[in-house]
Amino acid sequence: DAEITQSPRHKITETGRQVTLACHQTWNHNNMFWYRQDLGHGLRLIHYSYGVQDTNKGEVSDGYSVSRSNTEDLPLTLESAASSQTSVYFCASSKGTDTQYFGPGTRLTVL
Amino acid sequence: QKEVEQDPGPLSVPEGAIVSLNCTYSNSAFQYFMWYRQYSRKGPELLMYTYSSGNKEDGRFTAQVDKSSKYISLFIRDSQPSDSATYLCAMRLPSSNTGKLIFGQGTTLQVKP
Repeated sequence: DAEITQSPRHKITETGRQVTLACHQTWNHNNMFWYRQDLGHGLRLIHYSYGVQDTNKGEVSDGYSVSRSNTEDLPLTLESAASSQTSVYFCASSKGTDTQYFGPGTRLTVL
Repeated sequence: QKEVEQDPGPLSVPEGAIVSLNCTYSNSAFQYFMWYRQYSRKGPELLMYTYSSGNKEDGRFTAQVDKSSKYISLFIRDSQPSDSATYLCAMRLPSSNTGKLIFGQGTTLQVKP
C-alpha cells in the first residue's frame, strides 16, 4: 500500500547541531509539505514543494531548509538547531489540490 | 490576528452528547474547508471536506459552512469515546494548483464513557 513515512520518529539533539528529518512518500504525489505543531499554534507551514527542484518558504521557514531531488522525498534540515525548534514535525503530501496525507510525525527535542 | 481561529478547549462531554466544534476566519476568499482528526501521537487525517457554503453529512458527522459569517462548524452526534481526539479545521484558497492549507489551532475533545 502507498504510504508516507518519517524518520526518525524521535530525536534528541544539542543546540547548534545540524539535524535532518526525512520524509518519504510512495503515492507519487507532486506536492509535499512540512509543518511543525506546537501547543496553542496548531499546524504551521515551514516549507513546501510542488515538484522536483521546486521549494517554497512557508509561514515559519527561518532556520529550516528543504531540497527536492526526486518525487518521493523532501528532507527537512535544521541548519543550527535552537531550543525554539523543539516541536513535533509533520510531513504531508498531496496530488495537486487534493487531500493532504500526513506522516506519523517526528518528535524533536533540542537541548 | 490569526487567519483562522479555533478554541483549543479542552472540551469534555459524556458519551452520547452532541458536540459542536467551530472555527472563524478572516479571509473571505477561502473556498475549501476541511476538518482533520488527530489522535494522540498520530498524524492528522481528513474527516470532512466541503466547498463553499452549505452542509455536508457523513454518518454521525456534519460539516457546516457559513461564508457570510466566516464561520465553520463540525457537529458530532451520539459522540463515542473513540471520537476523543484533536480536531483541526483547515481551509484553502481557490488557486489553480496549490494545495496549501491554513490550519486552526485545533480543539481537543474528550468523550467520557
